[in-house]
This record gives sequence, structure tokens and C-alpha cells, in this order.
Amino acid sequence: KNQVEQSPQSLIILEGKNCTLQCNYTVSPFSNLRWYKQDTGRGPVSLTIMTFSENTKSNGRYTATLDADTKQSSLHITASQLSDSASYICVVSDMGSTGFQKLVFGTGTRLLVSP
Amino acid sequence: GAGVSQTPSNKVTEKGKYVELRCDPISGHTALYWYRQSLGQGPEFLIYFQGTGAADDSGLPNDRFFAVRPEGSVSTLKIQRTERGDSAVYLCASSPAGPGYNSPLHFGNGTRLTVT
Repeated sequence: KNQVEQSPQSLIILEGKNCTLQCNYTVSPFSNLRWYKQDTGRGPVSLTIMTFSENTKSNGRYTATLDADTKQSSLHITASQLSDSASYICVVSDMGSTGFQKLVFGTGTRLLVSP
Repeated sequence: GAGVSQTPSNKVTEKGKYVELRCDPISGHTALYWYRQSLGQGPEFLIYFQGTGAADDSGLPNDRFFAVRPEGSVSTLKIQRTERGDSAVYLCASSPAGPGYNSPLHFGNGTRLTVT
């Protein structure tokens, strides 16, 4: 079972609308949680990084929230633009037994912003 | 600005052949990672280098896969006796330091490997 589950799997919204993407994880021990944006044919680009002690972090129109107690995170996109069409990947840092911070990736939510 | 560069961007090879995929990390980044991404999936960890040494190679699927980083900068992922199941996008990422808690990973655009 994937330790990082994302929902919805895909989403279509109209340009200008807001949306929220969800991430549930079971990774433990947990160090930090990241959201990445991946355009088709490109590598992922970091949007936010939150430690377990942070509840929210913003990057422009992107706002990520984290509830470490329930092991849930969300990514809220405000006033969507056509360029927001991409896959959004939730990534949780697993400290593991070696101390090496291994990143566990979700399968992503594919967002399409329609004109 | 100079980001992570991966070459080639596309590689088509026949089953059984040997391939090498190259990654040029951002200058000065000590940590380098290789991931494999299949269609519709998130990246899957393969190997992590800190400097010249492989700090964690637990993600390499079998002994046909090998990676080197001899001078602590450029890395090469080598796949022997390729199989059709090796077809995927191979992503490289580098980080200013690792394994720091908040070290951002900078990804290249990947090499799309197709084994026919």
C-alpha cells in the first residue's frame, strides 16, 4: 500500500476558480512534507516544504496546510490559471533507520484548468 | 540559470542492450538522487549520492542497475541487459546539502527511456 495517498486522482476546474487537493500519509517517522508541481514532460518543481511543526505555508496562489496529528495535508490553489494545469505531487520525508531522509512520493493529482 | 541537466532527453534501445543516462547537477550541490517514474505514477527512489559515495542504493531494482558519481558532480546511471519493463522516465535531482531536513530538491527534466 502506498504510504502517501492523494485525492482526487484528477480534477477539472474553470479558470479563475479555486480548488483543494488532498494528501493522506502513513509515513512514520515523519520529517517534512512537500508539494511539487510537475508539468507534462518536465521534472517536478518544489512549491512548499513544511516541517511537522508547521500548519500552513504559502507560495503565491498556492497554500499548503498540514495536520500532523491526522496525517493529512492539503494544497489550495486560488484564482486558478491555465498554467496551473499540471500534476501536483505530495511528498513525505521518511527518516527511516539510517537517518537518510528518503522521500516517499504520492501518485499525484492531475489538474486541468479549462478556459 | 543552470539547473539540473539530463542527457539524453530521449533514448530508444533494443531489449538486451546497455544504456547510460547522464545527470549534471547544479554546481555545488553535494546530494544527488536518481528516481524512476512510470506513466501516471509518482517518482520512485533508486539511489542517493552524498558526494562521490552512494549513501543509499536500496531503491535499485536489481543488479542490472548501477550508478556512479566519480568526482562528486556528474552522475551516470547504467542499465545492463535492458528489459521492456525498464521503460520509464529517469529523473535526476540535486540538493545543496543532504540529508538536511528542508533541503529542496531540484529536478532535471528526465530521460525518457524506451526499450523495444
